Order: sequence, then structure tokens, then C-alpha cells
Amino acid sequence: NAGVMQNPRHLVRRRGQEARLRCSPMKGHSHVYWYRQLPEEGLKFMVYLQKENIIDESGMPKERFSAEFPKEGPSILRIQQVVRGDSAAYFCASSEPGQGYEQYFGPGTRLTVT
Amino acid sequence: KNEVEQSPQNLTAQEGEFITINCSYSVGISALHWLQQHPGGGIVSLFMLSSGKKKHGRLIATINIQEKHSSLHITASHPRDSAVYICAVSPGGGADGLTFGKGTHLIIQP
Repeated sequence: NAGVMQNPRHLVRRRGQEARLRCSPMKGHSHVYWYRQLPEEGLKFMVYLQKENIIDESGMPKERFSAEFPKEGPSILRIQQVVRGDSAAYFCASSEPGQGYEQYFGPGTRLTVT
Repeated sequence: KNEVEQSPQNLTAQEGEFITINCSYSVGISALHWLQQHPGGGIVSLFMLSSGKKKHGRLIATINIQEKHSSLHITASHPRDSAVYICAVSPGGGADGLTFGKGTHLIIQP
């Protein structure tokens, strides 16, 4: 049973470009969470999604950031017009009610904005 | 909003020592998680607990719901235990995003 997959593992973007981060949850999991870890800072919740629904986006910056979890395919975190302050590690986790909502984390995508 | 405090922030110990990391939170929760992160690495879930005590190998986690406090213990510590240990809480209901402590940087010297 494959774990949570994230790609790419490393992403370099110039200021103003778009970044797309992908997350494939564990098989059978329908809940996906995105977290951000800024350099030298702790992890912060960004958004919680179920298939085709955003459940809680209270941690998402108001502009330039969006997330989706379509019926088919991975969850996508999209950052438009990236700025240097977006450089961070972005982690995805997945869970399932039948497992008590224990969250399993992916390896992360390290975004560097130059 | 839940505040999660961890102590100590940094801990250096000798191989073989018994290690304790503490976590306290301000608001009632459905579960508490202990996570491990190696430098530049991914995040591994060590424990999820809502009451009592859990043990896995040399790691033990306890939680006191009334006191809103949890501890992570490492027995017979080894240099490979060197990592950042992060406490995180799930709000009531359990399905929502986690709130994290700032982490404890642990270094075990041979």
C-alpha cells in the first residue's frame, strides 16, 4: 500500500511564475490536508479538502493560492505569481474516518522562488 | 484557537539517556499527535492518542486530558533519534487540520 505521494519533490520558480504542487493520498483515503513550513518556522495548516469539496480553507492566504481535490486524480495546490516569501516546504497529508482520522504525511515539496 | 506549547525547544543529550519532551495545549481536543522530522526530511507520524499511554519500541507517549498535557519519552536514546519532534492537536471532531507546536530539536551525542 503506497503512502502519500507528492510531486515534484523540489520545484524552482522565478518570481511571477505559477507553481503547481500535487498530492496523491493513500489508497482509500478521501480527506486531504495541505500544510506549509516556512524556513525556521513551524508547520501551519492551509486547507482541508474532501473529494470535490473544500471543507476548511481558513489557513490559505487570501490571494494567489488555491486548492482542489477533483473526483479523479491528485489534489493540487496552486500558487499564482509566486513571490520569494512563498519559498517553503509544502506537505500534504491524508486521512480516513475509519482510521480515526490519523493523518499520514507525504514527503513534501520544497518550493524555491528565485 | 488552540495554542500548543512544547518544551524544551532544544535538547542535547548523551547516547543512552532517557529523554522527555513535553507538550501542553489550551483548548480541548479530540486527539494529540507526535510527529518526527529529520533535517530536510519528511514527517513521520509516531503516535496519535486521545487518552492514556501508547508504546512503540523505545518510544512512549502519554496524555492527561484533564491537565491538557502530553509527554513523549525515548528510552535508551541513540544518535539516530536526533530529529525534530513535533506535537500537534486535532480539534473536536478529529477531521480538521492540525495545530502544531514549534517543535523540539533533539540531538543525541554518541
